[in-house]
Amino acid sequence: DIQMTQSPSSLSASVGDRVTITCRASQSISNYLNWYQQKPGKAPKLLIYAASSLQSGVPSRFSGSGSGTDFTLTISSLQPEDFATYYCQQSYNTPFTFGPGTKVDIK
Amino acid sequence: QVQLVQSGAEVKKPGASVKVSCKASGYTFPSYAISWVRQAPGQGLEWMGWISIYNGNTYYAQNLQGRVTMTTDTSTSTAYMELRSLRSDDTAVYYCARGSRSGTNGMDVWGQGTSVTVSS
Repeated sequence: DIQMTQSPSSLSASVGDRVTITCRASQSISNYLNWYQQKPGKAPKLLIYAASSLQSGVPSRFSGSGSGTDFTLTISSLQPEDFATYYCQQSYNTPFTFGPGTKVDIK
Repeated sequence: QVQLVQSGAEVKKPGASVKVSCKASGYTFPSYAISWVRQAPGQGLEWMGWISIYNGNTYYAQNLQGRVTMTTDTSTSTAYMELRSLRSDDTAVYYCARGSRSGTNGMDVWGQGTSVTVSS
C-alpha cells in the first residue's frame, strides 16, 4: 500500500495568513492526489483533485501543486471558515489511502 | 441536487453485523463508483473500499477483507455496505462518497455519515 504523510500535523494561524500544508507519498503517484477539508461533525469536502485542479465551487484562495511524491496545499489568505482539518488522499492505486490530516486552528 | 443520503445511526453488540445504506439522487447512478470511508472517534479518515455501479466490481481494503461486502441496487440507486463480526474498534462514522469510475479524481459528493457504535 502507498503510505501518505502530512506536515505539519497541526498549525495555528491568523485570518489573512498564507498557509501551506505538505503531503508526501511513499512512492510516485504522478498527479493522482486529492485534498479534502473536514469540519467537526461534517463530511469531508473535496477541494482539489489531480494535484492542482480546483473543485467546482471552491474558492480560488485554495490551490494545490506537486507531482511524483511531494505535494502542497496552499491557502493564500486564511478566512474564518477555513479553520478545519485537511487531508490528502492518493488515487493512484487501491487502496486509496489518506494522509493523517493537518488541523488548522486559530492563533 | 446531487446528493447521497445515508441510513440512520446503529448500535450493535460485538459479533453482530451492520448494513448501512446510501441512496443517490440527482445524477446517473451507474456512471460513477461509490467508495466507503470510515472515521473512528477523534481519528483520521480510512478508505474501506469501493464498488463500480457500472459492472459491480469491488475492491476491499485488506484489513477488512472477509468481513465487508459492498453491493448496489440500481433499481433504487442505493449502495450498501455490510460489515460483519463487529468489534469495538469498528465504532466509527461511516461515509459513502461518489467518485469517478477510475477513482482518479477524488470523491466529490459525500453522504452525511452514519454512526455505528459497537458495544456490549
